[in-house]
Amino acid sequence: GAVVSQHPSWVICKSGTSVKIECRSLDFQATTMFWYRQFPKQSLMLMATSNEGSKATYEQGVEKDKFLINHASLTLSTLTVTSAHPEDSSFYICSAAGGKNIQYFGAGTRLSVL
Amino acid sequence: QKEVEQNSGPLSVPEGAIASLNCTYSDRGSQSFFWYRQYSGKSPELIMFIYSNGDKEDGRFTAQLNKASQYVSLLIRDSQPSDSATYLCAVNIGGNAGNMLTFGGGTRLMVKP
Repeated sequence: GAVVSQHPSWVICKSGTSVKIECRSLDFQATTMFWYRQFPKQSLMLMATSNEGSKATYEQGVEKDKFLINHASLTLSTLTVTSAHPEDSSFYICSAAGGKNIQYFGAGTRLSVL
Repeated sequence: QKEVEQNSGPLSVPEGAIASLNCTYSDRGSQSFFWYRQYSGKSPELIMFIYSNGDKEDGRFTAQLNKASQYVSLLIRDSQPSDSATYLCAVNIGGNAGNMLTFGGGTRLMVKP
């Protein structure tokens, strides 16, 4: 299957700081990248969909000014959690899709905000 | 009514048995169907996808799709303890949805030695 690289895998930060998470498709060009959040023992929750070169589409209830998404190329998307607070602590997972509507997931980033 | 429904489980099967995981979906126009496996604390991993009615086999895994009844299932033969995980069913409705998937809540499978 296709490989999606996500970094960092784990980050601990102080409240009020910003954290950037990178998602790269290593062996294919991703027309669309997705960002999910997952709290313990809960389902995946889609946060936003991003297409290369255009603004991300955010799901209802997700603050676009707090979760900044940049999709600068067909292989790279970034999610920046701005002014992070303890309630933002979660498991953030990206996925990338090329053809055939198949999404391949990155390994995820566990964010802990102190 | 949720768009993609799965029994949350846990589904417990003995080692070596067949595990049967089921998923129903509400949008009759859905075109692509996926099964992902998610171990605790890890991200989802694609196991299989199926587009056409019938069965699709890959090793110990068989995906079954019945569009008329709007269900898709995953059979795991010769279940192993390492198969213990949460299995996510995902559906793509096509059209304007692009590559977006709608996920079910997942079924937790426990394979007991």
